[in-house]
Amino acid sequence: NAGVTQTPKFQVLKTGQSMTLQCAQDMNHNSMYWYRQDPGMGLRLIYYSASEGTTDKGEVPNGYNVSRLNKREFSLRLESAAPSQTSVYFCASSPQGDEAFFGQGTRLTVV
Amino acid sequence: QQQVKQSPQSLIVQKGGISIINCAYENTAFDYFPWYQQFPGKGPALLIAIRPDVSEKKEGRFTISFNKSAKQFSLHIMDSQPGDSATYFCAASMRNQGGKLIFGQGTELSVKP
Repeated sequence: NAGVTQTPKFQVLKTGQSMTLQCAQDMNHNSMYWYRQDPGMGLRLIYYSASEGTTDKGEVPNGYNVSRLNKREFSLRLESAAPSQTSVYFCASSPQGDEAFFGQGTRLTVV
Repeated sequence: QQQVKQSPQSLIVQKGGISIINCAYENTAFDYFPWYQQFPGKGPALLIAIRPDVSEKKEGRFTISFNKSAKQFSLHIMDSQPGDSATYFCAASMRNQGGKLIFGQGTELSVKP
């Protein structure tokens, strides 16, 4: 099993550009999450989806949108990238809201 | 507002020693307390977790100690090995709130041979 797969692994954007980070899980989990990781701040929740068709804001949702396309896929979109969104982004999934399985991350730089 | 505070930020331990990382939380509604281990360039992976109805959980060389009255929990790594060198994150969540994890700031552990 691949687990949680994120694409791309690396990305450089110019300020104002848009992009979508893709995430797919093959574990049939109901819950999916997007976190960002910044030095000294741990991981912070951007958005989460408790089930297909539902999404909700996390701690730091501003500047982001999400789509739960189906049970497997949960995408994160940056409509107009800003340097403050330079970070490492992790997608995760969980079967019942306890143990979370993380992807390998997307390292995003906004210049 | 940082709901989960972790210390120390970095830790250097000799091989065979005990590594101790501490976390404190504020929200008494939290009912799940995991520790995650992260190697460079990788995503975090669950190491061990505890629920507040027990005071200690041990899995191999890794032990969580939980003090509900003090709202604190800690990770103890016995007989630390160079392969344990990684960043460790504590976290907390409420299962009835979708399992959204609130992470501590992380501890970078280095085990010297």
